[in-house]
Amino acid sequence: NAGVTQTPKFQVLKTGQSMTLQCAQDMNHEYMSWYRQDPGMGLRLIHYSVGAGITDQGEVPNGYNVSRSTTEDFPLRLLSAAPSQTSVYFCASSLDRGRGETQYFGPGTRLLVL
Amino acid sequence: SQQGEEDPQALSIQEGENATMNCSYKTSINNLQWYRQNSGRGLVHLILIRSNEREKHSGRLRVTLDTSKKSSSLLITASRAADTASYFCATDGSGNYQLIWGAGTKLIIKP
Repeated sequence: NAGVTQTPKFQVLKTGQSMTLQCAQDMNHEYMSWYRQDPGMGLRLIHYSVGAGITDQGEVPNGYNVSRSTTEDFPLRLLSAAPSQTSVYFCASSLDRGRGETQYFGPGTRLLVL
Repeated sequence: SQQGEEDPQALSIQEGENATMNCSYKTSINNLQWYRQNSGRGLVHLILIRSNEREKHSGRLRVTLDTSKKSSSLLITASRAADTASYFCATDGSGNYQLIWGAGTKLIIKP
């Protein structure tokens, strides 16, 4: 199994540009989530999904959209990039509906918004 | 908002020594997890302890949980250079499907 994969690894955007961060898992996990990690802070939840077709907002959802059309994929869209969105983004998945279950993380995407 | 807060923020010890880091949280929980993050990598799950457990072991790791004090500790015995990483605690006390994360402890093992 590849586990959780994320693309791209690095991305530089200009303010106002849009892009999609890709996340896929091959473990048949129901629960998937997106986090951002900023220096000196823990992970902050952006959006999550408890199954295909079901998504919900986390702690910091503004400026981001998600969809979950399949169990495997959970892309994160930045609608109009802002410098405040410069961060490292992690996708994670877990077998069950998420609460308290072991999370499996992707390697991360480093995003710089100029 | 952060549920878990680790301390110390940074810890530097000699190889072979034991490393202890602590996590405090604010609301009641069902369980607490510890994760490790090597520089530039994703997080890796280390151990999960449930609210009805007081201590749990996994290899060189020992985790304790004191629900009355709303705190947990992670002990790494006989540290190795490969243990150099950041360590995070995560709790599920929000009542929904979200884990709440602390800011982490950065552990450096000196050879």
